[in-house]
Amino acid sequence: KQEVTQIPAALSVPEGENLVLNCSFTDSAIYNLQWFRQDPGKGLTSLLLIQSSQREQTSGRLNASLDKSSGRSTLYIAASQPGDSATYLCAVRGTSGTYKYIFGTGTRLKVLA
Amino acid sequence: EAGVAQSPRYKIIEKRQSVAFWCNPISGHATLYWYQQILGQGPKLLIQFQNNGVVDDSQLPKDRFSAERLKGVDSTLKIQPAKLEDSAVYLCASSLAGGIEKLFFGSGTQLSVL
Repeated sequence: KQEVTQIPAALSVPEGENLVLNCSFTDSAIYNLQWFRQDPGKGLTSLLLIQSSQREQTSGRLNASLDKSSGRSTLYIAASQPGDSATYLCAVRGTSGTYKYIFGTGTRLKVLA
Repeated sequence: EAGVAQSPRYKIIEKRQSVAFWCNPISGHATLYWYQQILGQGPKLLIQFQNNGVVDDSQLPKDRFSAERLKGVDSTLKIQPAKLEDSAVYLCASSLAGGIEKLFFGSGTQLSVL
């Protein structure tokens, strides 16, 4: 059974700092991995999707990497801004059954001005 | 492009009452998902539709929860009767075909059961 863990659960950093969020999963047989952002009281917004054959994806100040063999993904945020404050969740999609996404519990990020 | 629409945004009910949530996915998206997100946890899939057929409802408490997707477009999720532990945010999401694409989420319905 796939389990997805995100550590730390919460993180506070000063504005301008580069930071890394971690996601680990127990079953390396994944179809893809997606990183989401969730603002308080809102739904989830997809940030980056990495296929199992890819090593990384980039969008603006965000870079996500995937190491399937070790069951890890990282989300790198460059030059953090107060507007980046949100909860970041990763989700992995399995390669069998209904291919449903399994979500981590998220990392709550606060960027201090 | 319009996003995933959900209503209502908030609902407060007493235990043993019934409640229904509505979702209209992005036009052309064949796959629709209902997730339950309890405070401090990640979303958990309740049911997945491909067009108007059920693909996965393995985690749906079928004794009290039901869902339908008429004509392969909008969908309704119902809880009857509600329990205290059903207090959560109910999120609807859609994707183009349920494969490699991104998920698009609605804003969710926050349910409080008293």
